[in-house]
Amino acid sequence: EVQLVESGGGLVQPGGSLRLSCAASEFTFSSYWMSWVRQAPGKGLEWVAIIKQDGTEKYYVDSVKGRFAISRDNAKNSLYLQMNSLRAEDSAVYYCVRDQGTDFWSGYDSWGQGTLVTVSS
Amino acid sequence: DFVMTQSPDSLAVSLGERATINCKSSPSVLDSSKNKNFLAWYQQKPGQPPKLLIYWASTRESGVPDRFSGSGSGTDFTLTISSLQAEDVAVYYCQQYYATPITFGQGTRLEIK
Repeated sequence: EVQLVESGGGLVQPGGSLRLSCAASEFTFSSYWMSWVRQAPGKGLEWVAIIKQDGTEKYYVDSVKGRFAISRDNAKNSLYLQMNSLRAEDSAVYYCVRDQGTDFWSGYDSWGQGTLVTVSS
Repeated sequence: DFVMTQSPDSLAVSLGERATINCKSSPSVLDSSKNKNFLAWYQQKPGQPPKLLIYWASTRESGVPDRFSGSGSGTDFTLTISSLQAEDVAVYYCQQYYATPITFGQGTRLEIK
């Protein structure tokens, strides 16, 4: 069974930084596009970023461009999200997500349990 | 950006009855070259991550009960639960993955009447 385990969340002051990690197992990590999706408390889902299998393509939602960076280490089966210049509106549960497609996007078939990021003074 | 609008925002249906949730995309999520609609449906229960139910607008994910079905093409889509069960109480989201930014609908909360 596919496993995605996030870590690195916590309480951070506005303007601060955090690095989220996602450990993937039970599938060939390097074969899949991977994403981060977030959900503010009591709110809906918001896609944050996506990265291609080899890391050569990365896309972001406008609200995090220039502040967040998605990356991966296929040798370590790990996905990362470096978050800088954090704002209160970045507070959310962050999910590590696998896109089930390999040739083109096909929907998110595997989700981690999420890690909570709280931006507050 | 693609805007996904779900209706209704909330819905109460009796056990055993049909539940229907709509999703409208602007613009179209149909890729004519592939003849595929880049649309998915997710179910999220309290305290859990979302679960993929339907992709390509009408393909049921493995293990999803056949009372769940998806239909539609282009800009108008529907998720139907043919006979509501107690365990179907959840929030349901549509999602377009045609282009970035990938976007979700606002969610529809489904309850038992």
